[in-house]
Amino acid sequence: SAVISQKPSRDICQRGTSLTIQCQVDSQVTMMFWYRQQPGQSLTLIATANQGSEATYESGFVIDKFPISRPNLTFSTLTVSNLSPEDSSIYLCSVAAGTGLNEKLFFGSGTQLSVL
Amino acid sequence: KQEVTQIPAALSVPEGENLVLNCSFTDSAIYNLQWFRQDPGKGLTSLLLIQSSQREQTSGRLNASLDKSSGRSTLYIAASQPGDSATYLCAVRNAGNNRKLIWGLGTSLAVNP
Repeated sequence: SAVISQKPSRDICQRGTSLTIQCQVDSQVTMMFWYRQQPGQSLTLIATANQGSEATYESGFVIDKFPISRPNLTFSTLTVSNLSPEDSSIYLCSVAAGTGLNEKLFFGSGTQLSVL
Repeated sequence: KQEVTQIPAALSVPEGENLVLNCSFTDSAIYNLQWFRQDPGKGLTSLLLIQSSQREQTSGRLNASLDKSSGRSTLYIAASQPGDSATYLCAVRNAGNNRKLIWGLGTSLAVNP
């Protein structure tokens, strides 16, 4: 298993500002995943953060809006830039633990962002 | 393209009932399927993972089954308690090199004392 500490747990931000979310894992992991969960919707993968290389972004998400850092194997940050009310969501980081068919996803506690 | 559907979207039951949550998927070529629990405004907790070769997994009062041929998984909760109230999500990982999960929208469960 993996224990992930995510902060902040919630924030209220003004339009045009940025919010940086941090995730710390209790073990070294190769990949960390950042998800968005908009109200009433399922999880959407934003990007995969690999240590030592640039993050891989999913269709519809760009680095300028969602810059990611991955300085080591236990830590990552996601910044949501130039905030607008449409960015109000829960943001979640996750890691995969285990191998092969037993590979499971574990999640941080989430960051609930409200943009005014 | 894999699609995951969860029925019902919401469920309200009295405490003590046994209940079944359903998850269906359109492409049977899956790697594994995972059930999660999400409390309001919070992250996800992994409940059970079923490998593609398995039929069911059990953890305490929870039992998850998998029928790949019919594209279905069920999560059975025995003797439900108010503390079980949460949203339950299933996610499918397709076979092959693509490691992405395909998510359902979840079933919102309320267990009333």
